[in-house]
Amino acid sequence: DAGITQSPRHKVTETGTPVTLRCHQTENHRYMYWYRQDPGHGLRLIHYSYGVKDTDKGEVSDGYSVSRSKTEDFLLTLESATSSQTSVYFCAISESAAGLISYEQYFGPGTRLTVT
Amino acid sequence: AQSVTQLDSQVPVFEEAPVELRCNYSSSVSVYLFWYVQYPNQGLQLLLKYLSGSTLVESINGFEAEFNKSQTSFHLRKPSVHISDTAEYFCAVSKASGSARQLTFGSGTQLTVLP
Repeated sequence: DAGITQSPRHKVTETGTPVTLRCHQTENHRYMYWYRQDPGHGLRLIHYSYGVKDTDKGEVSDGYSVSRSKTEDFLLTLESATSSQTSVYFCAISESAAGLISYEQYFGPGTRLTVT
Repeated sequence: AQSVTQLDSQVPVFEEAPVELRCNYSSSVSVYLFWYVQYPNQGLQLLLKYLSGSTLVESINGFEAEFNKSQTSFHLRKPSVHISDTAEYFCAVSKASGSARQLTFGSGTQLTVLP
């Protein structure tokens, strides 16, 4: 399995509070992604990164921000959590920085976030 | 933009029976296609992929999928399922060009294998 960890694995927070989720990889992959998974919607891309300090928006980016200061870490921040952001969040990585092109993505174990 | 439609949200099937999980996609450019599997409370695992070449691709655990460009489909099949195949299956597509490597997922099909 690809070396991807997510923290925390579970979190309950109140509406209006800031929340930061962390994705950490040990694979030195160039691309990192944040998805949310909701019933009936599959996985939807929130933001992705194609290198340190290089990020871009995905399909459902409103209310989320990201940062990548190191190759191995990709942070997802909910500035002011809302109940609609209750979801399971997955991090994924792809494409080795060694130049081997890999089109598939490898997923972390997920973070279950509940906003009350 | 790409889109993926998985036509069945739930597929119950008896053990040792064949199964087909349907996936259709829409795209104005060439695409790569993927099937991922998700077991309960776990992340997604790549099951198989089509990038180019033979339109029939196989996984190590007996699943296969066939890329049909004219019908824009990438259906997943297994001739004989096991209880352990019970999981949610996601079809995904990405553009075959460009550097973003973004995946667009279908809404998933829950495969339940019954004894």
